[in-house]
Amino acid sequence: DIQMTQSPSFLSASVGDRVTINCKASQNINRYLNWYQQKLGEAPKLLIYNANSLQTGIPSRFSGSGSGTDFTLTISSLQPEDVATYFCLQHNSWPWTFGGGTKLELK
Amino acid sequence: QVQLKETGPGLVQPTQTLSITCTVSGFSLTSYYMQWVRQTPGKGLEWMGFIRSGGSTEYNSEFKSRLSISRDTSKNQVFLKMNSLKTEDTGVYYCARAGITPFDYWGQGVMVTVSS
Repeated sequence: DIQMTQSPSFLSASVGDRVTINCKASQNINRYLNWYQQKLGEAPKLLIYNANSLQTGIPSRFSGSGSGTDFTLTISSLQPEDVATYFCLQHNSWPWTFGGGTKLELK
Repeated sequence: QVQLKETGPGLVQPTQTLSITCTVSGFSLTSYYMQWVRQTPGKGLEWMGFIRSGGSTEYNSEFKSRLSISRDTSKNQVFLKMNSLKTEDTGVYYCARAGITPFDYWGQGVMVTVSS
């Protein structure tokens, strides 16, 4: 199975900060990497698919980059409503596997 | 508007069978794959399996021997059944749709506790 190592596990940042979250795959997954946001008590929400495609309706401050084994989710200017847990998913090969999650809070 | 909602028993005894229903609206089950994912304290998020738009299924080998996914298209419902439950199966179970990408829409999840 492909292991997805996500970092950091916890992140504290201020409103307006640029925030980056990373996912590293244990082998090449091309660009088959998605990013999700999960707020407490809510359904996970797709932010980015296929490494850098922004899902419809998601603010442009969210962006994704990377290919192969290393991927990054960037929030260009953190907003209060971005407090959530973020996780990645690889869908290059079965079984699809997830990162361990990053809990983002406001400083 | 795409919506998914899981309903389940909440508490299940060890060795018993878990049954969860995912009721969807805003799209047709005959046009999309439907996934099941769970989140447990021990292993985090795990993909369990899916049912294709045509009705065939694929399972994660981790669960294959005890998992079954089925559906009733007339009721817009997808079903998860998993037998031989253990305390380690305690967690939140989600259904999700595979559209533009695997897991494009998710339900809120249902908490399942396995305990006697």
